[in-house]
Amino acid sequence: NAGVTQTPKFQVLKTGQSMTLQCAQDMNHNSMYWYRQDPGMGLRLIYYSASEGTTDKGEVPNGYNVSRLNKREFSLRLESAAPSQTSVYFCASSEAFEQYFGPGTRLTVT
Amino acid sequence: AQSVTQPDIHITVSEGASLELRCNYSYGATPYLFWYVQSPGQGLQLLLKYFSGDTLVQGIKGFEAEFKRSQSSFNLRKPSVHWSDAAEYFCAVGKTGTASKLTFGTGTRLQVTL
Repeated sequence: NAGVTQTPKFQVLKTGQSMTLQCAQDMNHNSMYWYRQDPGMGLRLIYYSASEGTTDKGEVPNGYNVSRLNKREFSLRLESAAPSQTSVYFCASSEAFEQYFGPGTRLTVT
Repeated sequence: AQSVTQPDIHITVSEGASLELRCNYSYGATPYLFWYVQSPGQGLQLLLKYFSGDTLVQGIKGFEAEFKRSQSSFNLRKPSVHWSDAAEYFCAVGKTGTASKLTFGTGTRLQVTL
């Protein structure tokens, strides 16, 4: 089992560019999550998906969109990147409350 | 809304010394509580969890935590720290309802001196 995988691991964007962060899990979990991690702020929930076909906003959704492509995959899209979106992004999945995290994507927006 | 406070941003302990990391939560019902560890450049790994029952829970890597309802605390402890325990530690509280969302504290960075 690979668990939760994320691509890419690193990305540099210019302001205004778009990109999609990919996440996949092979644990057959219903729920998936996107977080961002910034120094001194812990992890903040961007969007989550309770099950295939549903998505909901978390604490900091502005500037992001998500797609739950199927049960395995949950992508995060930045339509027009801004320097404030420079962060480390983590995807997670869970069946109950125990969440399993991917290795993260380090994104820099210049 | 629930919240989690980790009052110590950074802690330094000597290898072999005992460790206690503090976590206080605010939640109206019986909480689900978690401790996660993050090594540099890595994702988060679950150390232990509390759902109900015995208030002293054991986790991986020799860690334990005690749920104290009267103090709204869930402190993480280890009797003897190893250099490999140097990492960032996050406390989290679970909110009942759909999708099992977690609210994380801001983390405590542990440095271990030899």
